[in-house]
Amino acid sequence: AQTVTQSQPEMSVQEAETVTLSCTYDTSESDYYLFWYKQPPSRQMILVIRQEAYKQQNATENRFSVNFQKAAKSFSLKISDSQLGDAAMYFCAYRSRQGAQKLVFGQGTRLTINP
Amino acid sequence: DVKVTQSSRYLVKRTGEKVFLECVQDMDHENMFWYRQDPGLGLRLIYFSYDVKMKEKGDIPEGYSVSREKKERFSLILESASTNQTSMYLCASSRGTAIRNQPQHFGDGTRLSIL
Repeated sequence: AQTVTQSQPEMSVQEAETVTLSCTYDTSESDYYLFWYKQPPSRQMILVIRQEAYKQQNATENRFSVNFQKAAKSFSLKISDSQLGDAAMYFCAYRSRQGAQKLVFGQGTRLTINP
Repeated sequence: DVKVTQSSRYLVKRTGEKVFLECVQDMDHENMFWYRQDPGLGLRLIYFSYDVKMKEKGDIPEGYSVSREKKERFSLILESASTNQTSMYLCASSRGTAIRNQPQHFGDGTRLSIL
């Protein structure tokens, strides 16, 4: 079974600085999808960015980018120019390309932005 | 935009009660999911459904059942509520298996307390 590990329960960063959230996963599969979701205090989970394992190029979405290291099974999220609205719980998630489309989530990292 | 609506934002019930959590999505999605979110554990899948009247167990189905009589609605049932089922419950939906890189869309969550 696949597992996802986020080893940083909490992180903080100064506004306008850059922060990197870590995520590692364990799988025997070669093709899969990886996601980062954000959960602000309003509670609704919002997709931040996604990566397809067969694509070597790291995904980017505006100020958000990932460092996908397939051999190391690592999928970190970099937030540039941090804003107060980035404060949230961030979850890394894995989904197999085969079979059911269920997500396997990490434990989450709570990100605080200091003004 | 996809809208996933959970019937209650907060719910308080008593031990032994039968509890129904309702979820409705408006985008004709084939897949629907129920997750439980606990601090330090991330989100864990309880049940999912890929079609009307179809259901599959997730990672923690014990003490729960589900119903999907219509495509847009997916209900989670706590047959006899216990205090260890106090948690945040999140519903999600996604498009069918032919489009695997599509993300799941989440509701706002129901914070359930069992007294």
